[in-house]
Amino acid sequence: QSVLTQPPSASGTPGQRVTISCSGSSPNIGSNYVYWYQQVPTTAPKLLFYMNNQRPSGVPDRFSGSQSGTSASLAISGLRSEDEADYYCASWDDSLSGWVFGGGTKLTVL
Amino acid sequence: QVQLQESGPGLVKPSQTLSLTCTVSDGPFYTGGSYWNWVRQYPGKGLEWIGYIDYSATTYYSRSLKSRVTISRDISKSQFSLKVTSVTAADTAVYYCARGVGEWPYPFDSWGQGTLVTVSS
Repeated sequence: QSVLTQPPSASGTPGQRVTISCSGSSPNIGSNYVYWYQQVPTTAPKLLFYMNNQRPSGVPDRFSGSQSGTSASLAISGLRSEDEADYYCASWDDSLSGWVFGGGTKLTVL
Repeated sequence: QVQLQESGPGLVKPSQTLSLTCTVSDGPFYTGGSYWNWVRQYPGKGLEWIGYIDYSATTYYSRSLKSRVTISRDISKSQFSLKVTSVTAADTAVYYCARGVGEWPYPFDSWGQGTLVTVSS
């Protein structure tokens, strides 16, 4: 069971806006930044956001990240077929003294 | 962009030691600011951080795995390695090596392709 909680699935049609939530607690999201990873099937995860809402170069600005209290969310606007992937949130947990992850959300583009 | 590649046995017997190596290429290995991590992904998708070794050979392990894990490095070969002792079926996973960079806690900006390790007799 993952320390961070994500919905197992999300979906949308091309062009729509989709939001994926990530719920944590005080020692992790409540005290530290949130990071997001995108994993296309059969490939390694790719860093999508660092420090809550900072995009590495190459990540389209259709993607946005936010954090409030002990929760975070990832929003994708102008949904495209290539956005179909698993999305994971992550944070450092001060109580566990290590990285913790969400269980992942499978995004389907209908 | 730095490249990482995992290697090692795909099958390990229960109670034995799992050993994997990550080779780093096309980028600096022995420099400050890079943290060399192991992360595993269970068949059900969940990700688990195992630990890292930094440029000064300082290691930091997941509390839950600390008693069974060792991460080491070989600068001459631009490699770092993972050993997990006393493995059980619960250690079956895809194992990734990944580079951590930037500000603490050093998110993972480059990953290997991953290697599946199955623990079975």
